[in-house]
Amino acid sequence: GENVEQHPSTLSVQEGDSAVIKCTYSDSASNYFPWYKQELGKGPQLIIDIRSNVGEKKDQRIAVTLNKTAKHFSLHITETQPEDSAVYFCAASEGTGGFKTIFGAGTRLFVKA
Amino acid sequence: EAQVTQNPRYLITVTGKKLTVTCSQNMNHEYMSWYRQDPGLGLRQIYYSMNVEVTDKGDVPEGYKVSRKEKRNFPLILESPSPNQTSLYFCASSLDPQNEQFFGPGTRLTVL
Repeated sequence: GENVEQHPSTLSVQEGDSAVIKCTYSDSASNYFPWYKQELGKGPQLIIDIRSNVGEKKDQRIAVTLNKTAKHFSLHITETQPEDSAVYFCAASEGTGGFKTIFGAGTRLFVKA
Repeated sequence: EAQVTQNPRYLITVTGKKLTVTCSQNMNHEYMSWYRQDPGLGLRQIYYSMNVEVTDKGDVPEGYKVSRKEKRNFPLILESPSPNQTSLYFCASSLDPQNEQFFGPGTRLTVL
């Protein structure tokens, strides 16, 4: 079955710097890759997603890149702010034959003011 | 307001005492899931449902049951809870598996 690995597990950056979180997946049938942000005491919330027919997607300070050949995708946050501090999860989902969603283990991001 | 609700939010119980965690969504979503969140393991899918009366196992279904008799509700049942089921549980819903999932606020379960 699908396996998603996420690195790093913890990331600390200075306010204004960029943060990059990387994920790899194992199942080439996966074709939907969302990223979720979880703030303390809350459920995860989608921040950006990408589908397998797209290589890159951007939304203001957040961007996601996908390399289907290498089976990895990355989250890029530019100009980080203290309110970006949270736990971030990547995930992979199949489109046909199975409808599971597999999440990475999460990255705890600290943005120091 | 579009939302996913879960009840209870907190529950302490003892080994073997059957319990149900309810989940309800008001967005007319067809896809619903249950996840458990444990430190260092991220979110692991327990069961999911593609529509009424259609459910399937996720990655960690052992010890859990679900039902989907109505589109809006997707209860999680632990018939004989054990301490290794102590965890934070999230219900989520979406239009389909390849769209944004909306998560509930979580249920923190402790099994003694």
